[in-house]
Amino acid sequence: AAGVIQSPRHLIKEKRETATLKCYPIPRHDTVYWYQQGPGQDPQFLISFYEKMQSDKGSIPDRFSAQQFSDYHSELNMSSLELGDSALYFCASSSTGGGTDTQYFGPGTRLTVL
Amino acid sequence: SQQGEEDPQALSIQEGENATMNCSYKTSINNLQWYRQNSGRGLVHLILIRSNEREKHSGRLRVTLDTSKKSSSLLITASRAADTASYFCATDVNYGQNFVFGPGTRLSVLP
Repeated sequence: AAGVIQSPRHLIKEKRETATLKCYPIPRHDTVYWYQQGPGQDPQFLISFYEKMQSDKGSIPDRFSAQQFSDYHSELNMSSLELGDSALYFCASSSTGGGTDTQYFGPGTRLTVL
Repeated sequence: SQQGEEDPQALSIQEGENATMNCSYKTSINNLQWYRQNSGRGLVHLILIRSNEREKHSGRLRVTLDTSKKSSSLLITASRAADTASYFCATDVNYGQNFVFGPGTRLSVLP
């Protein structure tokens, strides 16, 4: 069965650079979530989209923005990167409209800011 | 403060023993999910229990939910070395649009 795809899997950036992470949800899933997980930390919810509209917002810095496109893939844009942005970034998708609620996570993108 | 808090934060047991992990939360929820994460890897969904359910089973996993105490437990029976991982609970706080994770329990199963 198709899973959530994230790209790239690894990304190394310098401070103050920008990064774009991509997420391709499971087909027919209508909700996408982004999470940030620092070393040894629990995943922190950043933002979610339902049917291409932002549906909830968590602890996402103003330097970050995200959107969901017409094909349901989502991108997380991160600007003015800081050392503290180094983390695993997970995308998850679910079929909220279908009532299943279960989130399926992608493998994550490991971002290292030097 | 965090919505979900796992207890214990670390647990070490012998193969074949049962492992019980607890999760407490603060606000009302629609459902609670348990996830497993091997070190530095993705999160794998284990089981979802809805707020109107009290107990759910899946293979060697048993999850209970007590909404009056705002707590849940995950029991892994007959543990195996391969069960070594971190286990997180996540609560749905906005009808499937926002989930809050607890800090996780690091389970070590010794052969």
